[in-house]
Order: sequence, then structure tokens, then C-alpha cells
Amino acid sequence: EPEVTQTPSHQVTQMGQEVILRCVPISNHLYFYWYRQILGQKVEFLVSFYNNEISEKSEIFDDQFSVERPDGSNFTLKIRSTKLEDSAMYFCASSVLAGSTDTQYFGPGTRLTVL
Amino acid sequence: AQSVTQPDIHITVSEGASLELRCNYSYGATPYLFWYVQSPGQGLQLLLKYFSGDTLVQGIKGFEAEFKRSQSSFNLRKPSVHWSDAAEYFCAVGARLTGGGNKLTFGTGTQLKVEL
Repeated sequence: EPEVTQTPSHQVTQMGQEVILRCVPISNHLYFYWYRQILGQKVEFLVSFYNNEISEKSEIFDDQFSVERPDGSNFTLKIRSTKLEDSAMYFCASSVLAGSTDTQYFGPGTRLTVL
Repeated sequence: AQSVTQPDIHITVSEGASLELRCNYSYGATPYLFWYVQSPGQGLQLLLKYFSGDTLVQGIKGFEAEFKRSQSSFNLRKPSVHWSDAAEYFCAVGARLTGGGNKLTFGTGTQLKVEL
């Protein structure tokens, strides 16, 4: 069964450094998402991406964040200058629009630790 | 804006006992509702979903959920819990995005412990 994959599983970085989190969505999917979960808190929507552009972003997704689909398979989340509060689990998800239904399939997550 | 409340942070049940996890949502239009499960070190796995039609939906692993519009609820049930069901369970409501796709709003999750 196809699945969403994410690398790395755990990333440790120093405050102020740039990080890139990578995701490979399911191959025939068209919509791509990033969510994050700070320890002990809810899973929160960050951004959705369709047709090579952002379709919606949350207030969390400020200028420090960017997303890209550099080739036909990868979907990346870049944090330009990490802060301590960016420490969280980051989940990638993808979906394919089938009529009026839309189910998101999630990857296993990348745990980002900012020191 | 949509929101989801899962009133129970932790639940402990004995193996073989029945289970009900509560979920209440707030959303202005017809909701798209989901239950996901997360085992340690794993991603979020979809258990079941409700878009329209029959208000009792069946999912994987023997789970079911009932949509009750009058109560704004979408509770998850299982008649007989197995030790492997121990995990964290998340209820979510989806809002359609203008460009297509759904933005999911999650509850805080319920941690299920199963006693043997």
C-alpha cells in the first residue's frame, strides 16, 4: 500500500540555523500539506499546496517558512532561521481529490529539536 | 472558525471491554469528520471518516463512529478492545479550501491505555 514518507525522522539544529524537512507524498496525489504538533499540544495546520503554489496557510506560517515541490516526487518545508519554539513534530500529508471527498494520508513525522 | 473538543485526555479500559471516545465539533456548515490513530513513533493513520449519508460509519480495526448533528458529536466506538488498540486517538473536522483539498482541525487527542 502506498504511503507518505518523511526524512529525517529526527533533526537536531541550533537556533538560527536553516532546516529543510523532506516528504515524498503518495505518487498520484495532488494536494500536499504540512502540520505540526508541539509536544503536549494539538496537531496544527501550517500550509496546503496545490498546483505548485500555496493554496492556504495559517498564521503560524510566517516569512520564516517556505514550501517547495522541487521535482515530481519531493515536497519540502524550509524553516529559514529556526527558533526554540519551532521544536515540534512536523507531519506531511497528501490527498487526491475524488469527487467531493478528500482524505489526507499522513507521513510518520519529523521530530525537530531546536537547541 | 472550526474547533474540535475531546474531553477525555486519558482513558483506561480492560481488554475485551467496550470503548467510546468522545468528540464534539464546532463548524458552521456540513462537517467532514475524521478519526485518526497514532501509535508511538508512527504517523497518523485514518480510522474512518464521515462526509454525508449514513450517520453510522464503519472503519478499520473494528471501529465505528456515529455522527449526531443535534449534539455536534462524532463519538468513536469499539465493542471489544484489543491490547493493540492502545494508542492516541485524534478527532478532526475538515474545512474545504477554496482551491480544493481540506484543512483539518484536530482535537487534543485521547490517550487510550488497555489493561490486560
